[in-house]
Amino acid sequence: GQQLNQSPQSMFIQEGEDVSMNCTSSSIFNTWLWYKQDPGEGPVLLIALYKAGELTSNGRLTAQFGITRKDSFLNISASIPSDVGIYFCAGQGLMDSNYQLIWGAGTKLIIKP
Amino acid sequence: GAVVSQHPSRVICKSGTSVKIECRSLDFQATTMFWYRQFPKKSLMLMATSNEGSKATYEQGVEKDKFLINHASLTLSTLTVTSAHPEDSSFYICSARGRGVETQYFGPGTRLLVL
Repeated sequence: GQQLNQSPQSMFIQEGEDVSMNCTSSSIFNTWLWYKQDPGEGPVLLIALYKAGELTSNGRLTAQFGITRKDSFLNISASIPSDVGIYFCAGQGLMDSNYQLIWGAGTKLIIKP
Repeated sequence: GAVVSQHPSRVICKSGTSVKIECRSLDFQATTMFWYRQFPKKSLMLMATSNEGSKATYEQGVEKDKFLINHASLTLSTLTVTSAHPEDSSFYICSARGRGVETQYFGPGTRLLVL
């Protein structure tokens, strides 16, 4: 099925570094969501974006809904060990009354000690 | 708020048996519930969407007779994997959203291993 283009696929960073990942799509979305998934757990919602151009923060996390409605980025500042996990972007289409999600492939974040 | 639970968290069963997984919204009424399957190191794959009181809508390629979904109340949906086989082994995750709410909240997942 349709999938968002999420990059990078994985990141190896030092603790304290900033992290940036993004998602792009050929389709317009009404909502962009960013989730984090720890091993053996379900995804946990980090940030939800509802308006084009919207910039939203949640602690050290910042995400933006692109003006074209076809992209979004997530930044994590001053990474800490508990940031390790897989981050997924997800988009909700304009016409889907059930609000189904289209998913990115995920970005695996690994922090080097 | 917006807590979704799943039970069991892990299940091991013999090939040919059926397994039921429950998904509950604990503090809100879930008008729509979604069932996903996730393979190792992959993204979530939507299996079906169910609205309370209606038959589930299955995604292309998902056998509805194999994966029975019941959404009998606003707080409970069940997924039954019938006549399970080793290839059904996977991580199954449910999510739920309330009326008029766009955001989906996810359960912790159920790890199924079919021997």
